[in-house]
Amino acid sequence: EVQLVESGGGLVQPGGSLRLSCAASGFTFSNYWMGWVRQAPGKGLEWVAHINQNGGEKKYVDSVKGRFTISRDDAKNSLYLQMSSLRAEDTAVYYCARLGSSITCHYWGQGNLVTVST
Amino acid sequence: QSVLTQPPSVSAAPGQKVTISCSGTSSNIGSNYVSWYQQLPGTAPKLLIYENNQRPSGIPDRFSGSKSGTSATLGITGLQTGDEADYYCATWDSSLSEGVFGGGTKLTVL
Repeated sequence: EVQLVESGGGLVQPGGSLRLSCAASGFTFSNYWMGWVRQAPGKGLEWVAHINQNGGEKKYVDSVKGRFTISRDDAKNSLYLQMSSLRAEDTAVYYCARLGSSITCHYWGQGNLVTVST
Repeated sequence: QSVLTQPPSVSAAPGQKVTISCSGTSSNIGSNYVSWYQQLPGTAPKLLIYENNQRPSGIPDRFSGSKSGTSATLGITGLQTGDEADYYCATWDSSLSEGVFGGGTKLTVL
């Protein structure tokens, strides 16, 4: 059974940093593109970033470029999202997803809330 | 303002059929596969349709997808109260080099 479990969220002040982790199991992690999708409170889904199998391709939504970094550790079956210079508008539930063609999110984690506030 | 345009809400009676549209451009829907997701209240989204019209295992054939040009449609037949949820379309935008989602459509089963 495919499982994706996010961790690392919480409350952080504007301008601060946070690293999200996603532990994967039930599939050969190194074979798949992986990504992050977020959802602000009461709002719709927003694609944040994705990474290919060998980490050589990384793409980001414009609003996080230069502030967020996606990475992976295949030995640990884990995906990461390093977030810095956080803003109030980054407040959202962040989902980890296993990707297919055209960034199809075949499997989703349960989500992890990040709150940026004083 | 989402890149993909969906109606904010649709409604229909139990047992009836409903369709949800998703409108885009040549750089997104027109040149890439479309996927559809169901998000029940308080839960993570779930994949309903991928590659325009393919259902993952476990998704009933009441759910269907189609694409024509720069638009896509999700169809749901035999509506059940358990289908009440938010539905999202998504694809890759080759011009933006970003993934894009529709704004979401809230389905109410009256």
